[in-house]
Amino acid sequence: DTAVSQTPKYLVTQMGNDKSIKCEQNLGHDTMYWYKQDSKKFLKIMFSYNNKELIINETVPNRFSPKSPDKAHLNLHINSLELGDSAVYFCASGGQGNTIYFGEGSWLTVV
Amino acid sequence: AQSVTQPDIHITVSEGASLELRCNYSYGATPYLFWYVQSPGQGLQLLLKYFSGDTLVQGIKGFEAEFKRSQSSFNLRKPSVHWSDAAEYFCAVGEGTYKYIFGTGTRLKVLA
Repeated sequence: DTAVSQTPKYLVTQMGNDKSIKCEQNLGHDTMYWYKQDSKKFLKIMFSYNNKELIINETVPNRFSPKSPDKAHLNLHINSLELGDSAVYFCASGGQGNTIYFGEGSWLTVV
Repeated sequence: AQSVTQPDIHITVSEGASLELRCNYSYGATPYLFWYVQSPGQGLQLLLKYFSGDTLVQGIKGFEAEFKRSQSSFNLRKPSVHWSDAAEYFCAVGEGTYKYIFGTGTRLKVLA
């Protein structure tokens, strides 16, 4: 049973399109995250939600909008996709003990 | 600002040889420290973590890491590397409860 699952795993889309990545965790954690990993493998936090409340927004363009319908879900919607948005997006969740657990990643390619 | 440095971008070792991956951090308080491993096309898997107490922590897959406050380091070690250990390794520091800063990663190559 996957602890943090995100879909889709692969996504190829054209510039200007709008796309969403969904994430769900079954660990009972209060906190969920979105991280972006660029082509150089650098991991940078984008957003953090705690009990559906936005805690961290790391100067991400407004085209990126996270939505947390409940504490087990954190979806990422991206408007007007640009070439530079091509990356791997990781969802993660964290609970007590300050340890975070990652999903398998969503490989986004914008053409 | 808090930061994590992994000075080695690539490391190549022979199978069966010992391994040490370096990690240095900059953080004012006692940090939460982590090592994650990422295999190609996969997500990040937690290898081990340090919060407090014994400065030598054991993790999965035979890895261990030692926290040295005086050197601001948290180096990862393994006495005998297996070919399946080839992957990207990330050191991370917990900045407060909700934010983690990752190093740039070290890519490990294992020679048969």
